[in-house]
Amino acid sequence: AQSVAQPEDQVNVAEGNPLTVKCTYSVSGNPYLFWYVQYPNRGLQFLLKYITGDNLVKGSYGFEAEFNKSQTSFHLKKPSALVSDSALYFCAVRDWIPYSGGGADGLTFGKGTHLIIQP
Amino acid sequence: ETGVTQTPRHLVMGMTNKKSLKCEQHLGHNAMYWYKQSAKKPLELMFVYNFKEQTENNSVPSRFSPECPNSSHLFLHLHTLQPEDSALYLCASSQFSGASTDTQYFGPGTRLTVL
Repeated sequence: AQSVAQPEDQVNVAEGNPLTVKCTYSVSGNPYLFWYVQYPNRGLQFLLKYITGDNLVKGSYGFEAEFNKSQTSFHLKKPSALVSDSALYFCAVRDWIPYSGGGADGLTFGKGTHLIIQP
Repeated sequence: ETGVTQTPRHLVMGMTNKKSLKCEQHLGHNAMYWYKQSAKKPLELMFVYNFKEQTENNSVPSRFSPECPNSSHLFLHLHTLQPEDSALYLCASSQFSGASTDTQYFGPGTRLTVL
């Protein structure tokens, strides 16, 4: 099975500074990687994904992520953080989820990283 | 926001109640999903429907029963739940479950509390 790991439970950044939220992956075959954001009491919002091609992927709200095959990482970045970026961020990988009766294509998520942007 | 709506947004139920969660997508997608988000565990995929056909998931207790009457609507029927079933239940949709590159779009979720 594929997996992703988010090593930090929380990241604190001052407003205006660059931010990085880390994600590493473990997959067999080609990785299809995603970043989602969740604001309090809301569902997950899609930010960006890596399928193939350029290692630097640009997404919504000024976010980008860098795919690094040698380091098996897919870190989320933003050049200048905003207070409104404070939220819970999830890294995910497309995976075949095995069930006892078969299986299905779905997403396997990391545990999430709380990003706190301080004014 | 994303074209996936869920009702109700909040639900409190007793262990003997029967209730249903509803999800509707307006994106023209063919695959729909139920995920469970608990406080202490990563997001878990519960059920997948592809072109209205369910993939069986025998790891989910039978007190959760999904229904997909058409490609736009998805239900999760709940009965005799346990307090540990309290969680945020998220619905998602994508163009096609079998295409690994498709993006899943999520609804706002239903916050379920079982007393």
